[in-house]
Amino acid sequence: KQEVTQIPAALSVPEGENLVLNCSFTDSAIYNLQWFRQDPGKGLTSLLLIQSSQREQTSGRLNASLDKSSGRSTLYIAASQPGDSATYLCAVRYGYNTDKLIFGTGTRLQVFP
Amino acid sequence: NAGVMQNPRHLVRRRGQEARLRCSPMKGHSHVYWYRQLPEEGLKFMVYLQKENIIDESGMPKERFSAEFPKEGPSILRIQQVVRGDSAAYFCASSLTDRGRDTEAFFGQGTRLTVV
Repeated sequence: KQEVTQIPAALSVPEGENLVLNCSFTDSAIYNLQWFRQDPGKGLTSLLLIQSSQREQTSGRLNASLDKSSGRSTLYIAASQPGDSATYLCAVRYGYNTDKLIFGTGTRLQVFP
Repeated sequence: NAGVMQNPRHLVRRRGQEARLRCSPMKGHSHVYWYRQLPEEGLKFMVYLQKENIIDESGMPKERFSAEFPKEGPSILRIQQVVRGDSAAYFCASSLTDRGRDTEAFFGQGTRLTVV
């Protein structure tokens, strides 16, 4: 069964810290992996998309890595800010013929001033 | 180019009523996906549709739920005889095509259904 797990479930840190959010998946035959941000009561914002052939992607203070063989991805947030407070979701796409995503349950991040 | 549009944003229904959720994909997108997010849970895939066709409905409950994506107009997710357990956020995503490395699904803001 294809499952995606995220740890920790919740994280509270002071502003300025560097953070690592973890995502693991049971089936390593992924097509790509995507990190999203979800603010309370809002939709999903795509942060980074990593193809199966890539090892990492960077956007501003965000860096996502992918290790297919171990079934893991990490999202690194540098110099965290209160505006980064949100739930971060990891999602895996397995099929070439579909954009269907398998989501993790998310990490709820709070960055306090 | 407007993003994926879902309406209504919030919907309140009494038990036993019908709920109709609409999703207009991004311009030019012909693939639509519906997901459900129960309170304190992650998003779960429900159904994948192309114009006039259901491609994958493996995540849809067997009863009371149906989805369509007609040739003209938005995709509709219909829930008949709603129960309290149907209360959730329902998200729609669309993509240009289902093939190739550059395809990506874009999400709407969701419809939050509350059954009272």
